[in-house]
Amino acid sequence: DAGVIQSPRHEVTEMGQEVTLRCKPISGHDYLFWYRQTMMRGLELLIYFNNNVPIDDSGMPEDRFSAKMPNASFSTLKIQPSEPRDSAVYFCASSLEGTAPTFFGSGTQLSVL
Amino acid sequence: SQQGEEDPQALSIQEGENATMNCSYKTSINNLQWYRQNSGRGLVHLILIRSNEREKHSGRLRVTLDTSKKSSSLLITASRAADTASYFCAPSGYSTLTFGKGTMLLVSP
Repeated sequence: DAGVIQSPRHEVTEMGQEVTLRCKPISGHDYLFWYRQTMMRGLELLIYFNNNVPIDDSGMPEDRFSAKMPNASFSTLKIQPSEPRDSAVYFCASSLEGTAPTFFGSGTQLSVL
Repeated sequence: SQQGEEDPQALSIQEGENATMNCSYKTSINNLQWYRQNSGRGLVHLILIRSNEREKHSGRLRVTLDTSKKSSSLLITASRAADTASYFCAPSGYSTLTFGKGTMLLVSP
């Protein structure tokens, strides 16, 4: 298996633009997580899915953030409109179950100018 | 919150030395996991220790867990420059993993 695949690897956009981050989890993993990492706040859990269903989105900072998982092999995290304070590295991760070893993608480095 | 707190925040050693990192947490756990993050990359799972285990080994890694003190330690023996990375503990209850800010380990040749 190729592991968790995220795209794009880097995204530079202007304030106000819509940003869509994409993730393909490891096949067979029932859990998918979106994390955000910054120097100030560390690694924050934004939202997670179990069997494609959003279970806990309490970490999503604002209504500008939304996430979907239309099927077991694809998820998106959308920011609309984007703001400079959204600049961070966004990681997608997946696991067989919530407390099992979690596999991370390489991340998307987002810069909002 | 299940979030662990790693100590020290930063650690600098020479190649060949041992590195010890500690983790403290506040609530009961099902297991505790350690992860490594190289600069610019995603986290990589290193080792998982269950709540009924006290010690676990994997190669040059040794993890201990003291549930009475709600603490864990990660020992890397005979460190190498390639071990330079940030290390995170993730105390796991019965839902998801949350991470602290990690320990930055620098191993100098």
